[in-house]
Amino acid sequence: NAGVTQTPKFQVLKTGQSMTLQCAQDMNHNSMYWYRQDPGMGLRLIYYSASEGTTDKGEVPNGYNVSRLNKREFSLRLESAAPSQTSVYFCASILNGASPFNEQFFGPGTRLTVL
Amino acid sequence: EDKVVQSPLSLVVHEGDTVTLNCSYEVTNFRSLLWYKQEKKAPTFLFMLTSSGIEKKSGRLSSILDKKELFSILNITATQTGDSAVYLCVQKGAYFGNEKLTFGTGTRLTIIP
Repeated sequence: NAGVTQTPKFQVLKTGQSMTLQCAQDMNHNSMYWYRQDPGMGLRLIYYSASEGTTDKGEVPNGYNVSRLNKREFSLRLESAAPSQTSVYFCASILNGASPFNEQFFGPGTRLTVL
Repeated sequence: EDKVVQSPLSLVVHEGDTVTLNCSYEVTNFRSLLWYKQEKKAPTFLFMLTSSGIEKKSGRLSSILDKKELFSILNITATQTGDSAVYLCVQKGAYFGNEKLTFGTGTRLTIIP
């Protein structure tokens, strides 16, 4: 199992450009999440998808859109990038349910710089 | 609004010292509390706690949850330089059948040789 994979690992954009961050998991997890991490702010939830076909806003959704293409894939789109979106982006997934062994698995992150 | 507060924000100790990291939370429909260690890249899972008073242990690390007082602690004994990292406390809650995580800002731990 590859776990959670993210592409690209690094990206530099100019203000106003658009791009899509890709995330895929091969663990048959139900829920997938997109976070951004900024110094001193911790991890903040952008959007999440509790199951295939559903998406919901998190703490900081403005400027982003998401798409849960199927159970494996959850993409994050920046339609018009702004310098405030410079951050490290993490995708994560978890198997829903009451299992005490549930843990959230994180992808390796995408470092995005918007000039 | 769900909230997770970690303290201290930053801690610098000498190798061999014991440290205690704190996490307090307010959350709707508590499911579990998780601790992660984050070095340079993605967070890695340490513990998941669901019941009060039961200590989870892994080597020099241990953690316990108090659901009445709404806090958890993470202890690291005989610290080593490899323990230097940001430690994240995460609250898992349930909303209409869906699970949602709320992260604390983390405690940055630095171990001086």
